[in-house]
Amino acid sequence: EIVLTQSPGTLSLSPGERATLSCRASQSGSSSYLAWYQQKPGQSPRLLIYGASSRATGIPDRFSGSGSGTDFTLTISRLEPEDFAVYYCQQYGTSPQTFGQGTKVEIK
Amino acid sequence: EVQLVESGGGLVQPGGSLRLSCVVSGFTFSNYAMSWVRQAPGKGLECVSDITGSGNNRYYADSVKGRFTISRDNSKNTLYLQMNSLRAEDTAVYYCAKRSGGYLGAIDFWGQGTLVTVSS
Repeated sequence: EIVLTQSPGTLSLSPGERATLSCRASQSGSSSYLAWYQQKPGQSPRLLIYGASSRATGIPDRFSGSGSGTDFTLTISRLEPEDFAVYYCQQYGTSPQTFGQGTKVEIK
Repeated sequence: EVQLVESGGGLVQPGGSLRLSCVVSGFTFSNYAMSWVRQAPGKGLECVSDITGSGNNRYYADSVKGRFTISRDNSKNTLYLQMNSLRAEDTAVYYCAKRSGGYLGAIDFWGQGTLVTVSS
């Protein structure tokens, strides 16, 4: 199974700052099958990015995804108050689909 | 509007059984793969089972293989998860999730989740 390792575990930033989240895969699969999700307390996850770099419907353009092979990045260009949450990466091209352990973006 | 509504969670003793259901609307159910994803309290996400749109292919995480069974009734727009021989470590919120393709795909819609608590 492909293991996804996210870093850092927690990111402490202020509104307006840039957030850079990393996701590293234990083996190279298809870059077309990497997604990012946002989860706020008490809510279900929400799809942000699929195919490593395509924004899901309704996702603001301050969210962007990049990367290929085993290294992927989610960037939030300018943090809005509603962006403070936990973010998960997921690979869905190889069974079992797997998730990273999450990165918490908290207010500094 | 896509909707996924889970039911069937609750408190069960170790060794017991539960059947989760997920009724969907707003899309052609048989065209899409579906998943059950769980989240233990304070923990991350784990996919426990997938099923293709036709129902012909199923996947189970090692942690539930032999104990859980995923199924779907495309005529009723309903996804199921039969959970037997439940253990304390199965305690989690279980999400019904729609994949964006018939076989693979990111999870583009999630249900609100149903809590399963395994405790004596």
